[in-house]
Amino acid sequence: DAKTTQPNSMESNEEEPVHLPCNHSTISGTDYIHWYRQLPSQGPEYVIHGLTSNVNNRMASLAIAEDRKSSTLILHRATLRDAAVYYCILRDSGGSQGNLIFGKGTKLSVKP
Amino acid sequence: DTEVTQTPKHLVMGMTNKKSLKCEQHMGHRAMYWYKQKAKKPPELMFVYSYEKLSINESVPSRFSPECPNSSLLNLHLHALQPEDSALYLCASSPGQNPTNEKLFFGSGTQLSVL
Repeated sequence: DAKTTQPNSMESNEEEPVHLPCNHSTISGTDYIHWYRQLPSQGPEYVIHGLTSNVNNRMASLAIAEDRKSSTLILHRATLRDAAVYYCILRDSGGSQGNLIFGKGTKLSVKP
Repeated sequence: DTEVTQTPKHLVMGMTNKKSLKCEQHMGHRAMYWYKQKAKKPPELMFVYSYEKLSINESVPSRFSPECPNSSLLNLHLHALQPEDSALYLCASSPGQNPTNEKLFFGSGTQLSVL
């Protein structure tokens, strides 16, 4: 399975943008890049996903490098409710179910 | 309805007990998943059901027995568990037609304590 590397933790100030990086140098051509987050005492929550082009939705933006070996999740204005563990995951197209395998993630702290 | 409902929210059981965890969704999803999450660790995939058939078993001990009686319901039967099996058990679902390009919907989990 292709692996991802993320910083263990990051800090942000409230109402400022946050850029969460993810390296995935062994990504294959058909692997989708997914981001989930997990707030304290809750199940993981889908954030965004993409294949090659940058993606935007109401929660965040996903910027994918041209060679697809890295990506960045962008939260445009962090709020206290964005404090969570953010997981960058490659959905393995070689597996029968494109299994969602979680790595260690980045714990984001947001300061008021 | 975009919810995955898990019951019970909390469960305490002895090592000789038999119990079941239940997961339900009414989004018409045909893929359902069980994950196990220990404190301060990422979720670990246990089982995947696709169209009510078990498609993935990530080498889970036989004391965990999954069941998918219909497309809306997923159970996890527990028997002779060990204290190290104490964890948060998460259920998830997805449409199931194109797995790598789908998002998963997770429930809030069942917090299990084995005494």
